[in-house]
Amino acid sequence: RKEVEQDPGPFNVPEGATVAFNCTYSNSASQSFFWYRQDCRKEPKLLMSVYSSGNEDGRFTAQLNRASQYISLLIRDSKLSDSATYLCVVRMERGNEKLTFGTGTRLTIIP
Amino acid sequence: DTEVTQTPKHLVMGMTNKKSLKCEQHMGHRAMYWYKQKAKKPPELMFVYSYEKLSINESVPSRFSPECPNSSLLNLHLHALQPEDSALYLCASSRGAESNQPQHFGDGTRLSIL
Repeated sequence: RKEVEQDPGPFNVPEGATVAFNCTYSNSASQSFFWYRQDCRKEPKLLMSVYSSGNEDGRFTAQLNRASQYISLLIRDSKLSDSATYLCVVRMERGNEKLTFGTGTRLTIIP
Repeated sequence: DTEVTQTPKHLVMGMTNKKSLKCEQHMGHRAMYWYKQKAKKPPELMFVYSYEKLSINESVPSRFSPECPNSSLLNLHLHALQPEDSALYLCASSRGAESNQPQHFGDGTRLSIL
């Protein structure tokens, strides 16, 4: 089983729709969770950290389910500019600098 | 604009050349990272420096040699690379391992080995 697993997609979604991604992680002791987005031929950019109580930033909502070991990202009212690859990223151990990346989910918003 | 600056943006080199990639951050971060990313794959960790000391080497071949001259700078020295080393090389920084904060990436150096 991969340490961090994502559906690679592609997800092709009409503009204005709501889309959700899940990501599962194998280590129950994992400490920190993040969603990054990466545009083609660009660097990963932090979209949001994921907190235990869930958190929202505009059209984006992230949730953590420790019991089932998954995190989710919900995008409401999707825009063309949301087209990107979304990377699920986990820090497995407290005090360990290493982040473990999922393979990414590719999202294309269709006009 | 990224707060982690990498130079050069693009580099083409032969297998016998020696070159260096440079990374700089002025956010006061104490952990810095080198990653390698191939097309359609996630970034792969190469090295981690924590408080200017090498803390993680992910079994990277010796033709890649990292250096951290001070807390703001990180270099990656390249020598005798192979064509399969062609990739996007990303530098990142974070506040430090103890903070559980995210990493911030530079925009990368796209490296091509002829």
